[in-house]
Amino acid sequence: EAQVTQNPRYLITVTGKKLTVTCSQNMNHEYMSWYRQDPGLGLRQIYYSMNVEATDKGDVPEGYKVSRKEKRNFPLILESPSPNQTSLYFCASSLGRGHEQYFGPGTRLTVT
Amino acid sequence: DAKTTQPNSMESNEEEPVHLPCNHSTISGTDYIHWYRQLPSQGPEYVIHGLTSNVNNRMASLAIAEDRKSSTLILHRATLRDAAVYYCILRGYNTNAGKSTFGDGTTLTVKP
Repeated sequence: EAQVTQNPRYLITVTGKKLTVTCSQNMNHEYMSWYRQDPGLGLRQIYYSMNVEATDKGDVPEGYKVSRKEKRNFPLILESPSPNQTSLYFCASSLGRGHEQYFGPGTRLTVT
Repeated sequence: DAKTTQPNSMESNEEEPVHLPCNHSTISGTDYIHWYRQLPSQGPEYVIHGLTSNVNNRMASLAIAEDRKSSTLILHRATLRDAAVYYCILRGYNTNAGKSTFGDGTTLTVKP
C-alpha cells in the first residue's frame, strides 16, 4: 500500500532533550516536506526536500533540522526542543514538481 | 510567494452542489493550483489540481478562471462526509518548486 508513515505518532518530552521524528514514504517520491499545524495558525511548512541531499527552508524553519540521505526517508530533528514547538507535525511527499502531496497521519508532540 | 484567499466558512445542504472559491491574484505562469481537504483528526488529503484547464476527477471538479487569478472547487453532491477544512494552495513548477503555503482554508459545514 502506498503510504507516508511517521513515528512516533505521539511524543511527550522535556525542554532541551533532542528528538527525531521519522518520516518514510514507499512511493519513490522525489519531494518531501515537513509541516506543523497549530490552532489558529493553520499548516506551516518547516522544511522541504527536492531529492537526496537537497533541502530548503520553508516558512518556519527555526529550531528544526532535516536531512535527506535516502530517497525514502526525511527525518525531522529538534536539537533542543522548547515548549513553543508543541504542535501537530505532518510529513508529506510528492512525485515531483507540481504533483499532488500525500500526507502522513501526523505526530503530536508535547514539549514540557 | 504567491498567496491564496478563501472564505473562512461555507455551509451547504446535503446532496446539493457546493462551490468553494479561491483567489490567487499573484499566481505565476508556472504555478499549479492544488486543493486539499482535512477532516477532523486527520492529515490533509489531496482533492484535485490543475494548471490552466478545468479538471474533473472522482472527488470533485476544478474550474479555473481564464486569467488564472481565481478558481473554484466544485463538489457536485455534498455528503456529510465532505464536511472538512478545504485548502487551496499554489505549487510552483520552477522556482521554489517544493514550497507550499497553506492559508486558513474554508471550513465547510454540510447540513442534513
